[in-house]
Amino acid sequence: GENVEQHPSTLSVQEGDSAVIKCTYSDSASNYFPWYKQELGKRPQLIIDIRSNVGEKKDQRIAVTLNKTAKHFSLHITETQPEDSAVYFCAASMEYGGSQGNLIFGKGTKLSVKP
Amino acid sequence: DGGITQSPKYLFRKEGQNVTLSCEQNLNHDAMYWYRQDPGQGLRLIYYSQIVNDFQKGDIAEGYSVSREKKESFPLTVTSAQKNPTAFYLCASSTRPGTGNQPQHFGDGTRLSIL
Repeated sequence: GENVEQHPSTLSVQEGDSAVIKCTYSDSASNYFPWYKQELGKRPQLIIDIRSNVGEKKDQRIAVTLNKTAKHFSLHITETQPEDSAVYFCAASMEYGGSQGNLIFGKGTKLSVKP
Repeated sequence: DGGITQSPKYLFRKEGQNVTLSCEQNLNHDAMYWYRQDPGQGLRLIYYSQIVNDFQKGDIAEGYSVSREKKESFPLTVTSAQKNPTAFYLCASSTRPGTGNQPQHFGDGTRLSIL
């Protein structure tokens, strides 16, 4: 089955710097890759997603890149702010197949932005 | 996402007791999911249901049971066979897989502890 590896597990940056979180996946059939942000004790919230027919997607300070050949995708946050501090999860799923739609999550990255 | 309601927010289980966690959604989503979240483990899939009256085991189904009698409801029972139930439980829903991957939306979670 699909396996998603996420690095680093913790990341500390200074306010205003950029943060990059990387994920790799194992199943080449995966074609949907969302990123979730989870603040302490709260629900995960979708912040951006990308499908396999696109190489990059941006939404203000957040961008995601996908390399299908290498089977990895990354989250980029620019001009970080203290409110970006949270745990970020990457995930992968496939549209078709026995487990279609099921998200396989990475273990998360705890991002701390220091003022 | 105000459309998914989990209750209770906190739950305590005694030895040998079954407890049921509620999940209701008014998003008209076909698919619903239950995840368990432990520190440093990310989200792991317990059970999922892609349509009413049908559900499938996820990666860690042992000691859990579900039902899907109504489209809007997907309760999870943590049975006495689950020896380590202490965790944060998250319910999610999405449009039906195979119709174009759509993001999963999460409830606020239930924190289960052993008395």
